[in-house]
Amino acid sequence: GQNIDQPTEMTATEGAIVQINCTYQTSGFNGLFWYQQHAGEAPTFLSYNVLDGLEEKGRFSSFLSRSKGYSYLLLKELQMKDSASYLCAAMDSNYQLIWGAGTKLIIKP
Amino acid sequence: GAVVSQHPSWVICKSGTSVKIECRSLDFQATTMFWYRQFPKQSLMLMATSNEGSKATYEQGVEKDKFLINHASLTLSTLTVTSAHPEDSSFYICSARDLGGEANEQFFGPGTRLTVL
Repeated sequence: GQNIDQPTEMTATEGAIVQINCTYQTSGFNGLFWYQQHAGEAPTFLSYNVLDGLEEKGRFSSFLSRSKGYSYLLLKELQMKDSASYLCAAMDSNYQLIWGAGTKLIIKP
Repeated sequence: GAVVSQHPSWVICKSGTSVKIECRSLDFQATTMFWYRQFPKQSLMLMATSNEGSKATYEQGVEKDKFLINHASLTLSTLTVTSAHPEDSSFYICSARDLGGEANEQFFGPGTRLTVL
């Protein structure tokens, strides 16, 4: 079956770095997405990886290892506004997104 | 990035009534739109995939006669919750895929919060 695993909740300190891991199993693979979702709002796109390696975009970076079925989202210089849920989603061979349950990130001063 | 709008943003209705939610892609054509439901503190749950000009594909456990989906044009899909009941109260989110864009990315609407009394 298809499955996405990510931690339920993480806590980090303002100004620090945090890494949110995600492992996936899908029927075929057409890329790995990370979305940010604040409470009561719709998800917003953060990153997309389809090739192995690290993609850097400002304070946020995303890594993919296709052979390991593994990705992580790295957030640097954490700000209070980064408190949100981070959703990992893998796109299968039918171009359908398989969603993880999300990781709630709590930022403390 | 591409913009997707949803209307209404929130709606309160009485049990037994029907509610229609619109999802529009504003600056791109979306042959495929997705409808999700999200209960508090839970992840997105795909309800159905809506393809322009054809019948929607519903996920297992989603009643197609209760959640009517129409995708009549390349920029508009509608979800109608028929005979709504309190257990249908949820956050409904649509997304649209821009096949002409990068990475088959899905762009999300702002969501519609439905409360059934």
